[in-house]
Amino acid sequence: SQQGEEDPQALSIQEGENATMNCSYKTSINNLQWYRQNSGRGLVHLILIRSNEREKHSGRLRVTLDTSKKSSSLLITASRAADTASYFCATFNDYKLSFGAGTTVTVRA
Amino acid sequence: NAGVMQNPRHLVRRRGQEARLRCSPMKGHSHVYWYRQLPEEGLKFMVYLQKENIIDESGMPKERFSAEFPKEGPSILRIQQVVRGDSAAYFCASSPERRLNEKLFFGSGTQLSVL
Repeated sequence: SQQGEEDPQALSIQEGENATMNCSYKTSINNLQWYRQNSGRGLVHLILIRSNEREKHSGRLRVTLDTSKKSSSLLITASRAADTASYFCATFNDYKLSFGAGTTVTVRA
Repeated sequence: NAGVMQNPRHLVRRRGQEARLRCSPMKGHSHVYWYRQLPEEGLKFMVYLQKENIIDESGMPKERFSAEFPKEGPSILRIQQVVRGDSAAYFCASSPERRLNEKLFFGSGTQLSVL
């Protein structure tokens, strides 16, 4: 069964706007990661947040983690057309990385 | 430093044939993972291998599927007697060692189509 569940399933925004997506998971984790997948391509690692961290930034990305609610959010600020992709959260427990179903983000020019 | 290499990029098989998918991990990486992705879905874990060892194959169907990662050469995911339901994108990922906070590096995948 999937560990993470993203919300919303799809998101359409105008270039320059912010995009926020959420992820909920079920069991305890060592860390939570976010990946991006462009159509027909492999996944690219974006950012990792450890279970003892609450917020992390990387460029235009901001990730939060609330272990009490078993949830995380990914914020992409000042979106660009190139941000159009599917975004997946993944939880790393021991050695296995488990993915959610993803959020498809479309950035309109 | 080349990334994770998968081939072929696209593979077409008729029902009942065998499919062999290859994955060369990044240089220096000794851990390989295989995932399957159906359209509009996330990646489903299939198997985790180290050199010459299968560590966890809990996500792999018991029949028709097998995986190996020999001492020399790429990792192979083998699907015997393919059926239409095997049509999917198969992704390989690698990591340098077994660490609790290790990110995975993904290949571009093999799209398997079963006619």
